[in-house]
Amino acid sequence: ILNVEQSPQSLHVQEGDSTNFTCSFPSSNFYALHWYRWETAKSPEALFVMTLNGDEKKKGRISATLNTKEGYSYLYIKGSQPEDSATYLCASSRYGGSQGNLIFGKGTKLSVKP
Amino acid sequence: ETGVTQTPRHLVMGMTNKKSLKCEQHLGHNAMYWYKQSAKKPLELMFVYSLEERVENNSVPSRFSPECPNSSHLFLHLHTLQPEDSALYLCASSHPNGLAGGPNTGELFFGEGSRLTVL
Repeated sequence: ILNVEQSPQSLHVQEGDSTNFTCSFPSSNFYALHWYRWETAKSPEALFVMTLNGDEKKKGRISATLNTKEGYSYLYIKGSQPEDSATYLCASSRYGGSQGNLIFGKGTKLSVKP
Repeated sequence: ETGVTQTPRHLVMGMTNKKSLKCEQHLGHNAMYWYKQSAKKPLELMFVYSLEERVENNSVPSRFSPECPNSSHLFLHLHTLQPEDSALYLCASSHPNGLAGGPNTGELFFGEGSRLTVL
């Protein structure tokens, strides 16, 4: 694949549910994978930047894994809360790509109902 | 509060107007970016400035003209835009990774965006 693909497009869960999203990216010449959280009417905020195959990062109830050989990353949210409602973006950069040229996916929009 | 401020937050302009979007960061970063988000499309990179020099112009029409007078300020000058240019324009900053021209591992710090409507 040449683009960054995210699935699902949107997700509706109940408070307390755990959930996960997928990001697929070009595995050739991979350099870094970014996850951002974007709440409505606010600015996108970085969650994780990962570079190493097998890397796993965690921030509170949110964690992410990275498989650079097959070109995918998972974002997990444990025990979703209404404040987790946001669009989650992933973006990848590649060797040979110019500075700042992160390729973004369209995002996964998460809605958490109380 | 990310430390990146964009003004105006909303702008409505006619196709013959000239207007500018402004971005300011006080994070000590020396790379700044303009991204565009159109409906149902991913964020698209428009321009990158590193140390006040433009290092990336992602095939953007000349009716969009960026300016970076110093490492804290970035402008996007708009002239004779088309209705299809209506979108959310996001500014971001970061520490550049290694030599200019290298791929980015540094996280981006975004502003809240300027919502542009072209009539």
